[in-house]
Amino acid sequence: DTGVSQDPRHKITKRGQNVTFRCDPISEHNRLYWYRQTLGQGPEFLTYFQNEAQLEKSRLLSDRFSAERPKGSFSTLEIQRTEQGDSAMYLCASSSAHRGGYNEQFFGPGTRLTVL
Amino acid sequence: GNSVTQMEGPVTLSEEAFLTINCTYTATGYPSLFWYVQYPGEGLQLLLKATKADDKGSNKGFEATYRKETTSFHLEKGSVQVSDSAVYFCALSDQGYSTLTFGKGTMLLVSP
Repeated sequence: DTGVSQDPRHKITKRGQNVTFRCDPISEHNRLYWYRQTLGQGPEFLTYFQNEAQLEKSRLLSDRFSAERPKGSFSTLEIQRTEQGDSAMYLCASSSAHRGGYNEQFFGPGTRLTVL
Repeated sequence: GNSVTQMEGPVTLSEEAFLTINCTYTATGYPSLFWYVQYPGEGLQLLLKATKADDKGSNKGFEATYRKETTSFHLEKGSVQVSDSAVYFCALSDQGYSTLTFGKGTMLLVSP
């Protein structure tokens, strides 16, 4: 396994700008998850995909957030009109029914977003 | 809703000391329980898991037992090493769902 990769690792932006993050899951994993982690807190679920279908979205995912997984492989998370409260670590994870079950998730290193 | 409560840190220990990090949960169904570890500058790694009551998960000398009667999943290690210094997260996944609910994390600092 090459593991879950995320790009960029760090992003600094000004309030009001749009940002996009990318996640590449483990290749045979058909489920992909996004979480957000703020300082001193555990990760909080945002949304997940099975193949290209977005199956669940948290109420934390405001209208400014959109996620896609167009071909069932990599995913992007876009935040429009960023606010300072969006500053956090954005984590991506993936899982498969065949390796420990869907709830055994493998995490990427995260993208740290700082909104000035 | 689901929730996970962990003991607050940091937990500071000397090398070879015994470790316990407490974790209790609230869930509507019969969840699977997990411990994840996050080393400095790295992503979350699954440490161990248990999927039903009385199961014991173990890995790298760490153990945790799924106690349904006390809704707990405490993490233990008999002899910690400096390399165990990290943040430990307890998490659950409710039956039929695959999203994880995490606790706030407990930082462990082990000194030589």
